[in-house]
Amino acid sequence: GQNIDQPTEMTATEGAIVQINCTYQTSGFNGLFWYQQHAGEAPTFLSYNVLDGLEEKGRFSSFLSRSKGYSYLLLKELQMKDSASYLCAVRDHNYQLIWGAGTKLIIKP
Amino acid sequence: TAGITQAPTSQILAAGRSMTLRCTQDMRHNAMYWYRQDLGLGLRLIHYSNTAGTTGKGEVPDGYSVSRANTDDFPLTLASAVPSQTSVYFCASSDLENTEAFFGQGTRLTVV
Repeated sequence: GQNIDQPTEMTATEGAIVQINCTYQTSGFNGLFWYQQHAGEAPTFLSYNVLDGLEEKGRFSSFLSRSKGYSYLLLKELQMKDSASYLCAVRDHNYQLIWGAGTKLIIKP
Repeated sequence: TAGITQAPTSQILAAGRSMTLRCTQDMRHNAMYWYRQDLGLGLRLIHYSNTAGTTGKGEVPDGYSVSRANTDDFPLTLASAVPSQTSVYFCASSDLENTEAFFGQGTRLTVV
């Protein structure tokens, strides 16, 4: 079966750095996505990795290791508005997105 | 630009009744998707359409049907609602296979 694992909840302090991990087992691989979802709102796109390595976009970076079936999302200089759920999704061999349950990130002052 | 729009925003529906959730996008995306999101679970694909005139079943298609008469619209129909269909429903669209998906604002459906 296909499976995406990420921690259910994490807590971090404003101004700090947090790393959210995602491991996956899917039928094929055609890219990994990270989305942010604030409570009661729709998911919004953060990053996309298809090759191994680090993709940096402002305060957010995403890393991929295809051989390990592993990715992480790194958030720097945390702000209160970063409190949200972060969803990891993998596009499988049928180009369908398989979603993790999401990691709820709580930012404390 | 409106992007992708869903209607209604929320609905309370009596069990056994039918309902159509509407989804319209103005980005001319080929692919459209319907997901349900339940607490503690990831987004689960109900049905999808890779292009106008074609549809496919996702992970949880039972009790739902879709149509794709044109590029812009992708309605989701519940023929006879059951309480287990209480959920938040998201419509999404994407262009090329490896680009991001854009989501509508969601429809919160409660079946009682």
